[in-house]
Amino acid sequence: ETGVTQSPTHLIKTRGQQVTLRCSSQSGHNTVSWYQQALGQGPQFIFQYYREEENGRGNFPPRFSGLQFPNYSSELNVNALELDDSALYLCASSWGGRGEDTEAFFGQGTRLTVV
Amino acid sequence: GEDVEQSLFLSVREGDSSVINCTYTDSSSTYLYWYKQEPGAGLQLLTYIFSNMDMKQDQRLTVLLNKKDKHLSLRIADTQTGDSAIYFCAESIASGGSYIPTFGRGTSLIVHP
Repeated sequence: ETGVTQSPTHLIKTRGQQVTLRCSSQSGHNTVSWYQQALGQGPQFIFQYYREEENGRGNFPPRFSGLQFPNYSSELNVNALELDDSALYLCASSWGGRGEDTEAFFGQGTRLTVV
Repeated sequence: GEDVEQSLFLSVREGDSSVINCTYTDSSSTYLYWYKQEPGAGLQLLTYIFSNMDMKQDQRLTVLLNKKDKHLSLRIADTQTGDSAIYFCAESIASGGSYIPTFGRGTSLIVHP
């Protein structure tokens, strides 16, 4: 058990809709990162939050946005869903702060299917 | 190109050793990771190594790090059918004051009885 939980585990949405995925990190983990894993690929970095502020972003469009809350929970929001957004979405948390490289613990992921 | 490269497939017999190789690019990475992913599941951290180490052993797992060549390997001794999974190598890449675990495409390990 990593202490990182994600909800829901599976989700089906229609193209054009909006979706919110949730992650609950370990207590004390101030950094959370979100990843998209398409079928047959490695996880691709979407963005990272540290103490409720965005702290790095990968090559994803602005319709991918996030929030991090003081209670170690976070959200990934995706607007105007496209078929290619179908993937496993993973969150990872770590206790390190800015400029610190610490071990990352992953949740089990949310499988999003866009039809 | 990819920052982290791995071969895509490895097939071994049960009881043999498996060696999964990986090359990475960022010499400033503090951590280098090996993750395991079973079908339909998330990522399980198997082991990691600090960049100032050459080797780390953890039960059946041995990680070797060659910093000069930026080469990382994972050896699984006495491989079992339950070890069949996808194995991801990851390095932490410094980006704007944060460290981002960056993954390869994964090596699919198939263990034959």
